[in-house]
Amino acid sequence: AQTVTQSQPEMSVQEAETVTLSCTYDTSESNYYLFWYKQPPSRQMILVIRQEAYKQQNATENRFSVNFQKAAKSFSLKISDSQLGDTAMYFCAFKDNAGNMLTFGGGTRLMVKP
Amino acid sequence: DGGITQSPKYLFRKEGQNVTLSCEQNLNHDAMYWYRQDPGQGLRLIYYSQIVNDFQKGDIAEGYSVSREKKESFPLTVTSAQKNPTAFYLCASSISSSYNSPLHFGNGTRLTVT
Repeated sequence: AQTVTQSQPEMSVQEAETVTLSCTYDTSESNYYLFWYKQPPSRQMILVIRQEAYKQQNATENRFSVNFQKAAKSFSLKISDSQLGDTAMYFCAFKDNAGNMLTFGGGTRLMVKP
Repeated sequence: DGGITQSPKYLFRKEGQNVTLSCEQNLNHDAMYWYRQDPGQGLRLIYYSQIVNDFQKGDIAEGYSVSREKKESFPLTVTSAQKNPTAFYLCASSISSSYNSPLHFGNGTRLTVT
């Protein structure tokens, strides 16, 4: 079974600074997708960014980018120029070509301080 | 606007009663999912459906039941057999169950059983 681990339960960052959230996963599959979801206090789950495993180039969406290290099975999220609205729970998630379910990590609570 | 509607937002029930959570989507998505989220934790999959009239158990299906009679609807019943039903329940859908289809989430239902 696939597992997703987020080793940082809580993090904080000053507004306008950069923060990196860690995620590691375990799989024997060669092709899969990785996702980062954001859950603000409203509890709505919002897709932030996604990365396909066979693509070497790291995905980028505005201030959000990933560092995907396939050999190390690592998928970290970098948030640049942090904003107060980035305060949320962030979940790393994994979906492979064989399974039909999205497996989530335990989440990292990010607080952006003014 | 297309989206996923979960109702009600808050639900209260007495122990021993069955309760059904509603999930409707107008995105024309084939796949639908139910996740459970406990305080400070990640999401765990209860049931998923790849197509109408078909559904599969997830990691924590015991004490829950679902139906998928229409493409748009995927209701979840929390039965009296579920030992710890109090939780936040999230419904999601995706274009298909393939690995490159991200999930879109509803706003969730907070169930409290006393």
